[in-house]
Amino acid sequence: AQTVTQSQPEMSVQEAETVTLSCTYDTSESDYYLFWYKQPPSRQMILVIRQEAYKQQNATENRFSVNFQKAAKSFSLKISDSQLGDAAMYFCAYWYNFNKFYFGSGTKLNVKP
Amino acid sequence: DAMVIQNPRYQVTQFGKPVTLSCSQTLNHNVMYWYQQKSSQAPKLLFHYYDKDFNNEADTPDNFQSRRPNTSFCFLDIRSPGLGDAAMYLCATSRGQEETQYFGPGTRLLVL
Repeated sequence: AQTVTQSQPEMSVQEAETVTLSCTYDTSESDYYLFWYKQPPSRQMILVIRQEAYKQQNATENRFSVNFQKAAKSFSLKISDSQLGDAAMYFCAYWYNFNKFYFGSGTKLNVKP
Repeated sequence: DAMVIQNPRYQVTQFGKPVTLSCSQTLNHNVMYWYQQKSSQAPKLLFHYYDKDFNNEADTPDNFQSRRPNTSFCFLDIRSPGLGDAAMYLCATSRGQEETQYFGPGTRLLVL
């Protein structure tokens, strides 16, 4: 069975610093997709970044980048130059096909001014 | 220019009284999903539609049903809400199978 594990329930980072959120997953598939979603308090969930497993290059979106280690089944999110608006719940997610979409348990990120 | 709209944002119902939650989208996406998210937990997929094809998760209770009358709208019906059904219900859409999902703001359901 596919599972997604986020081992850090809560993290804190100082404004302007860098933080890395961890995610590991379990799969026997070779072609799949990984996502990081952000859910701010009382606001809707939005996509932060997406990675196709067949791509070796790590995805990057402005201050957000991932470290995708396919063999290790690891997919961490790095947030550079953290801003107050980055404070949110972050969910790692795995997609293989319609009935194989799983979220991790989430990491709550606090940003300190 | 809202893309995924959920109504109402807050819904209060009584124990055992049927309730319907609504989702609409302006993205013309093929796929629509319903998730249940309880406090401090990850969203749990209940079911989804690919066009008119309905796909139910194996562990979704029979108490939960869904309808998709057209591309734009999808409804979640809870036939006999229990106290354990109090949660945030999220609707999401995607263009295709592997595409990014776009989420609505959610409907928070309270069962009295």
